Amino acid sequence: DSGVTQTPKHLITATGQRVTLRCSPRSGDLSVYWYQQSLDQGLQFLIQYYNGEERAKGNILERFSAQQFPDLHSELNLSSLELGDSALYFCASSAGQGNEKLFFGSGTQLSVL
Amino acid sequence: DQQVKQNSPSLSVQEGRISILNCDYTNSMFDYFLWYKKYPAEGPTFLISISSIKDKNEDGRFTVFLNKSAKHLSLHIVPSQPGDSAVYFCAARSGNTPLVFGKGTRLSVIA
Repeated sequence: DSGVTQTPKHLITATGQRVTLRCSPRSGDLSVYWYQQSLDQGLQFLIQYYNGEERAKGNILERFSAQQFPDLHSELNLSSLELGDSALYFCASSAGQGNEKLFFGSGTQLSVL
Repeated sequence: DQQVKQNSPSLSVQEGRISILNCDYTNSMFDYFLWYKKYPAEGPTFLISISSIKDKNEDGRFTVFLNKSAKHLSLHIVPSQPGDSAVYFCAARSGNTPLVFGKGTRLSVIA
């Protein structure tokens, strides 16, 4: 158990809908990262938050947004969903801003039908 | 543009033999490299890492080799065990930037 909790584990929705993925980092970790794993793709970095502030941004679509709350949990919001958004979304946490060792949750499998 | 490449999607090895997983990178600014292991229905877990100032790091059955001039690293598992069957991701970073991952290599260790 990595200590990182992601909910829900599975999500099935329709095109055009909006969903929210939730992540609770390991106790004491200040950084939260979101990664997307599509079919035949590696882990694509989406966005990082550190202690409530956006720290780094990757290949995140404008339809996607995220935030980190005062209790350090994070939410990834995906809107106007398309079939191509179907993927496994991972959250990871680390103690500092650029710690090399990330601890990953077990992911949320999103299926857009 | 894929900065970290794992060109072998899959690899099969006999139990007890050596498994060699390869990874190439294009960004010469990368200064830290990691391997993660992923079982089905679980998130990736950290396995072993190496700094760019070293060329080898060993942890039990796992050894990572770094060839900076070739921009290549490899993970050796000796001896391979059935429990090593998983997807292995190579990752790299430059300074405090977020990790960049490869697409992964699925290792199957056959008993």
